[in-house]
Amino acid sequence: RKEVEQDPGPFNVPEGATVAFNCTYSNSASQSFFWYRQDCRKEPKLLMSVYSSGNEDGRFTAQLNRASQYISLLIRDSKLSDSATYLCVVNMLKDSSYKLIFGSGTRLLVRP
Amino acid sequence: DGGITQSPKYLFRKEGQNVTLSCEQNLNHDAMYWYRQDPGQGLRLIYYSQIVNDFQKGDIAEGYSVSREKKESFPLTVTSAQKNPTAFYLCASSQELTGTNGYTFGSGTRLTVV
Repeated sequence: RKEVEQDPGPFNVPEGATVAFNCTYSNSASQSFFWYRQDCRKEPKLLMSVYSSGNEDGRFTAQLNRASQYISLLIRDSKLSDSATYLCVVNMLKDSSYKLIFGSGTRLLVRP
Repeated sequence: DGGITQSPKYLFRKEGQNVTLSCEQNLNHDAMYWYRQDPGQGLRLIYYSQIVNDFQKGDIAEGYSVSREKKESFPLTVTSAQKNPTAFYLCASSQELTGTNGYTFGSGTRLTVV
């Protein structure tokens, strides 16, 4: 089983749609959680951290369910510029130190 | 502006050659990391370093070597022993050793074996 699992997509949605991505992780002792955005042939960039209480940043909402080891990202009112790959990232204890473990990413295509 | 600089952006290597990828940061971060990304796949950890003159193997260290002689610099050498080196290589750093606030990435080096 992969340490961080995501649906690879692609999710193909029209502008203005609401889209949700999900992610599960294997290590219940994981410490912190993030969503990164990666554009084609570019480096990943931090989109937002994910907190147990849920957090929102404009059109983006992230949720964490520690009991189910599940993370989600909701994008409202999708824009063409939201087209990218979204990486679920978990900071987990591995080989005696904490490291970021990356999911393979979920690809989003927003069409006009 | 503070950040991480990777060079070169593109690199072509002949089979059997060693090549070194540069990674420099001016963020005063203690921890630095090297990842490899293959098309359609996630990032896989090659090596990491939490302090000068010390580094640890990640999940796919075979065929790679690193050094950490200065806090700012963490070069990666792809040796001829690496069977399939063509990939996108990403260097990252973090302020905390635990990575609690995530990592900052350089813009990457795309290595192609010809």
